[in-house]
Amino acid sequence: AQSVTQPDIHITVSEGASLELRCNYSYGATPYLFWYVQSPGQGLQLLLKYFSGDTLVQGIKGFEAEFKRSQSSFNLRKPSVHWSDAAEYFCAVGGEGAQKLVFGQGTRLTINP
Amino acid sequence: DAGVIQSPRHEVTEMGQEVTLRCKLISGHNSLFWYRQTMMRGLELLIYFNNNVPIDDSGMPEDRFSAKMPNASFSTLKIQPSEPRDSAVYFCASGRAGMSYEQYFGPGTRLTVT
Repeated sequence: AQSVTQPDIHITVSEGASLELRCNYSYGATPYLFWYVQSPGQGLQLLLKYFSGDTLVQGIKGFEAEFKRSQSSFNLRKPSVHWSDAAEYFCAVGGEGAQKLVFGQGTRLTINP
Repeated sequence: DAGVIQSPRHEVTEMGQEVTLRCKLISGHNSLFWYRQTMMRGLELLIYFNNNVPIDDSGMPEDRFSAKMPNASFSTLKIQPSEPRDSAVYFCASGRAGMSYEQYFGPGTRLTVT
């Protein structure tokens, strides 16, 4: 069965600083990987996804993520964060042919002015 | 296009009462997912449907929970009788089975059972 680990429960960065949120997955075959963002009181919004091909994927709001099979990782990055990026970020994994997504526990991002 | 619509957005009820949560899918989508989010357990998939048919209900916690899709665009999640431990935010998400694995989430229903 697939699983996802987000090692960081809470991260604080200063506005304008770079960001990297970690995600490690466990899955026996090629995974389908996703990053979602949840603002307070809102539902989850898809930031980006990886299915196949180029291992560096671009998403909305200036985010990108890199799939590293050897490390079973799919870390999310942004070169310069904005105060509006403060939210909870979820990594999720699914398997080909299966619609069930398994979500990590989430990383809460706080931005210092 | 409108996104996933959930109602009510907030529900406060007393233990033992029946609760019905509602969800309208995005037009053209044929998959529907119900999730529950709590601080302790995170985001859990309860059940999902493809083309109105329940595919996997292994996440439904117990018989007090039931979900239906009476038509292609609408679903209900019912809890009867409700208990305080059911307090959570319930999300539904829709997608297109067989085309992609993206799921589009609604704003959620915050349920409080006293």
